[in-house]
Amino acid sequence: GNSVTQMEGPVTLSEEAFLTINCTYTATGYPSLFWYVQYPGEGLQLLLKATKADDKGSNKGFEATYRKETTSFHLEKGSVQVSDSAVYFCALKPGTGRRALTFGSGTRLQVQP
Amino acid sequence: DVKVTQSSRYLVKRTGEKVFLECVQDMDHENMFWYRQDPGLGLRLIYFSYDVKMKEKGDIPEGYSVSREKKERFSLILESASTNQTSMYLCASSLGGGYTFGSGTRLTVV
Repeated sequence: GNSVTQMEGPVTLSEEAFLTINCTYTATGYPSLFWYVQYPGEGLQLLLKATKADDKGSNKGFEATYRKETTSFHLEKGSVQVSDSAVYFCALKPGTGRRALTFGSGTRLQVQP
Repeated sequence: DVKVTQSSRYLVKRTGEKVFLECVQDMDHENMFWYRQDPGLGLRLIYFSYDVKMKEKGDIPEGYSVSREKKERFSLILESASTNQTSMYLCASSLGGGYTFGSGTRLTVV
């Protein structure tokens, strides 16, 4: 079946530090890959996505590249801010079959001033 | 701006009660979803719907049912609430691409 594995948190960084949150997946076919962000007390918001191998999704300084050879979609940001503190979820949508997202367990990011 | 609205932000119910969680979207989306979110487990799919009166089980449908009588509304029903259904419930809708999520309903069953 389909599954998404994320690094466990919390990840605690100082402001302006470099961020990497690892995400690997298992899926049949060619899934689309997503990163969602959940700020405290809110629902999830789409952060970025990639629909095919070697695509790079980017938004608000965050980037992730769809690596089929390593089945990975790691989230990166060059310089984090306190306002980036949130929970980040990696997700996949299968290319065939059930049209529903499968999510990872989420990674909490805490950025300290 | 597109919106998915969940009727309650916080809900406290007693064991054995029948509980209705309501979700309304204003985007004319065909697809709607119910997930529950638990610490360390991420989001798990309960039920989803591709169209009015159509529904499919997700990964954890036991103890739940759904209703979609109109395109804009997707209801999650806990037939007889139990304490292990205490959780955050998230509704989402989509037209085929990314999802739009509601703010969630935190349900406590006592």
